[in-house]
Amino acid sequence: EVQLLESGGGLVQPGGSLRVSCAGSGFSFSAYAMDWVRQAPGKGLEWVSGISGDGGSTYYADSVKGRFTISRDNSKNTLSLQMNSLRADDTAIYYCAKERWNDGAVGSTPIDYWGQGTLVTVSS
Amino acid sequence: QPALTQSPSTSASLGASVTLTCTLNSGYSDYKVDWYQQRPGKGPRFVMRVGTGGIVGSKGDGIPDRFSVWGSGLNRYLSINNIQEEDESEYFCGVDHGSGSNFVEKVFGGGTKVSVL
Repeated sequence: EVQLLESGGGLVQPGGSLRVSCAGSGFSFSAYAMDWVRQAPGKGLEWVSGISGDGGSTYYADSVKGRFTISRDNSKNTLSLQMNSLRADDTAIYYCAKERWNDGAVGSTPIDYWGQGTLVTVSS
Repeated sequence: QPALTQSPSTSASLGASVTLTCTLNSGYSDYKVDWYQQRPGKGPRFVMRVGTGGIVGSKGDGIPDRFSVWGSGLNRYLSINNIQEEDESEYFCGVDHGSGSNFVEKVFGGGTKVSVL
């Protein structure tokens, strides 16, 4: 059974930093591209970032480019998102997500599994 | 870049049918769309992918047969027949803009909230 378990969310002040992580299990972690998708309270889904299976290719939404960094440790089956210079509009539930096809490339395939999410609140 | 438009909400009586529409903007008629279900307080769940030829690949794990899709022009449809209480959810559509080394971003529609009466 595929499981994605996020951790690391919490309250942070504007301009601060936070790192959220995701532990994957039940699948060959390194074979799949992974994404972070966020959802502001009461709002829709917003793709944040994606990373290839080998970690060699990374992609970012314009709204977070230069502030957020996605990474993965395939030896520990872990995906991370380092968030710096946080703003109030970064407040959201952050979902870890697995792409469906095991070609390791980001895009061209649906997200087939999502975690339960971790809440990040940016407020003074 | 692609954009997706969804109606904000709809409702259907228990056992009836409902069809949700996701509309691509002009110039993206060849794009395949992914449908996701999100129950209150839960993470999204993959339903299936749809192009103009219908379903692409297979449904997500545990998706019942009463869910079906088709596509025409810029529209991608998700139909739920014999709607059940557990189908009451928000449904999002999404697309991939680019793939592999040409990947740009994933884009989602605003979602349609389905109520079962």
